[in-house]
Formats: sequence, C-alpha cells, structure tokens
Amino acid sequence: DAKTTQPPSMDCAEGRAANLPCNHSTISGNEYVYWYRQIHSQGPQYIIHGLKNNETNEMASLIITEDRKSSTLILPHATLRDTAVYYCIVSPQTGNQFYFGTGTSLTVIP
Amino acid sequence: GAGVSQSPRYKVAKRGQDVALRCDPISGHVSLFWYQQALGQGPEFLTYFQNEAQLDKSGLPSDRFFAERPEGSVSTLKIQRTQQEDSAVYLCASSFNRGDTQYFGPGTRLTVL
Repeated sequence: DAKTTQPPSMDCAEGRAANLPCNHSTISGNEYVYWYRQIHSQGPQYIIHGLKNNETNEMASLIITEDRKSSTLILPHATLRDTAVYYCIVSPQTGNQFYFGTGTSLTVIP
Repeated sequence: GAGVSQSPRYKVAKRGQDVALRCDPISGHVSLFWYQQALGQGPEFLTYFQNEAQLDKSGLPSDRFFAERPEGSVSTLKIQRTQQEDSAVYLCASSFNRGDTQYFGPGTRLTVL
C-alpha cells in the first residue's frame, strides 16, 4: 500500500519550474512527507521532507496543503539533469520502511 | 563524506546458485534497510536492522532470503537457490536512527539466468 498517488509522467521545459503533485489523503498526524528521486541506474536520492510547514532547500521546495492531504514538489529551474522518477512517500517518524509506489517520471525537455 | 556503498554492482547467477550482496552503510548510522526493485517498479521493502538486531523482516519474499548485520555495521543479503523471479536491483539504505532520512546506495543489479 503506497499511501500516495502521483501522476505517472510529466514533461517540463528546461529552465522552467517543475511542479510535481502528490495526493496523500489518508496521511496521519505523525506522518512526514518525503520526496526522493531516482535517476536511471542509480539509487534513490533524498530531496526534501516536511511535516506541516512548507520547506525549502538548495534542491527544491515542498508545499504542503493546510489539511496535509496533498503536496507539491517544486524544482524552481529545471535542468536536463533533473530528468528522473520522483517518488512521494509518507512515513511516520518512528517508521522503519518507505512505501515508494511507482512515482512520477519527469522528463525535462531542451 | 562517504555514502552508502554496495558490492558487487552487478551479479549474474545461474538458477539455483546462492548469492551474497554486501552493503556498507554510512559510518555511525544505526538503522539499515534492504529494498528490492523490479524493473519499472518502485523499491519494495525487504528488511530492517537497528544495530545488529533485525527488527522487521516482513518484506522478505521467501525463506530463501536471509539478511544479517552481525556487528551492527556491514550487512549482507543472501539469496539461496536463486530463481529467475529474483532478478532485480537490490538497494540498501541507512539512516542515523529509526525514522530519520534514509540514504540509499547505488544498488546491486542481480540477473538470474
């Protein structure tokens, strides 16, 4: 049970912002939202995570709705190297496993 | 600093052979996880260690799969009598402690002929 729903694929023009949505309508109060990405033939790479508040780091921004039932990962200026599968995961702070689902395949177009 | 490393990166086995896959977690990380990723799918949880204790092995698909972490650092995933359906990428991840961000290694691609 992945507990999240993501579109299977998206395209984004190079240099534009990529906005990747995720629905997690059954999220519990103690569950964090994590985002990872996986570039072909590599292991998943941590991007960002949050609980309630919006978060920003050097890679991306995470916007979580007030009811926490959905979130959006924003890559502000997509580059070709951002082409990857992006996974949205919800996990409790005391959890010991991630449910990845099938993610969103993002293609950045020149 | 060094990330999670896995070896070998690629392994080809004949059906029925035993294989052993190694994971070196980030130094000081208490928690270690194994995942299996079939082609075109997301990673699926296999098992979890807290130090040397295997606290969750609910994801291991059969009793042919065995994992150990005897000294609470390096871990080995062993698959006995490999079958074609075992062909997948096996990913290892570690975290500072339970519930913290997991950092993944590059994976071992196992192909069973």
